[in-house]
Amino acid sequence: NAGVTQTPKFQVLKTGQSMTLQCAQDMNHNSMYWYRQDPGMGLRLIYYSASEGTTDKGEVPNGYNVSRLNKREFSLRLESAAPSQTSVYFCASRPGWFFGQGTRLTVV
Amino acid sequence: AQSVTQPDIHITVSEGASLELRCNYSYGATPYLFWYVQSPGQGLQLLLKYFSGDTLVQGIKGFEAEFKRSQSSFNLRKPSVHWSDAAEYFCAVGEISGGFKTIFGAGTRLFVKA
Repeated sequence: NAGVTQTPKFQVLKTGQSMTLQCAQDMNHNSMYWYRQDPGMGLRLIYYSASEGTTDKGEVPNGYNVSRLNKREFSLRLESAAPSQTSVYFCASRPGWFFGQGTRLTVV
Repeated sequence: AQSVTQPDIHITVSEGASLELRCNYSYGATPYLFWYVQSPGQGLQLLLKYFSGDTLVQGIKGFEAEFKRSQSSFNLRKPSVHWSDAAEYFCAVGEISGGFKTIFGAGTRLFVKA
């Protein structure tokens, strides 16, 4: 099915561990985004990529890195996970028009 | 800085009643405005968007929204709510700044009672 695909759907990490969240879209969109969603705070932009080869910080970039591997894929990396990064992470393409199903991350 | 305010954290309406969800934005230029719906455990689905033109915008699932520049508002409405409309609703404003970014409100959770 066309759309935005995120993996994994669920993940539990220990404090200090690292991991990469994967996102791929098959709609040939130039722009891709990573958001985190926390109760009562809506979605906050972590990083975005306006086009292949470019990335920029959003509202809450600290503790994260991203890679725009190619036009299809945009990954989010946590180098040293912290409990404050427990959240639901959403990838989106275009100006927020298409969202993935989310990754629920718990850091213990 | 651009911002979006959804004054109501949650709203309860009876099935069949009308619905209005409020959204106010702060943006210097003509905004790009969106409403999304999120069902529990799901991603966000775009209901409608406003870029320019007619200030009354029709969306999916029977929703509409009206852009009122003088009030900096973009309220979402539905004439008759169905139980399946129970979900969380997010208003968002898009800005062009080194790329297109979308800023979200905190959301309004809609409860529908029989």
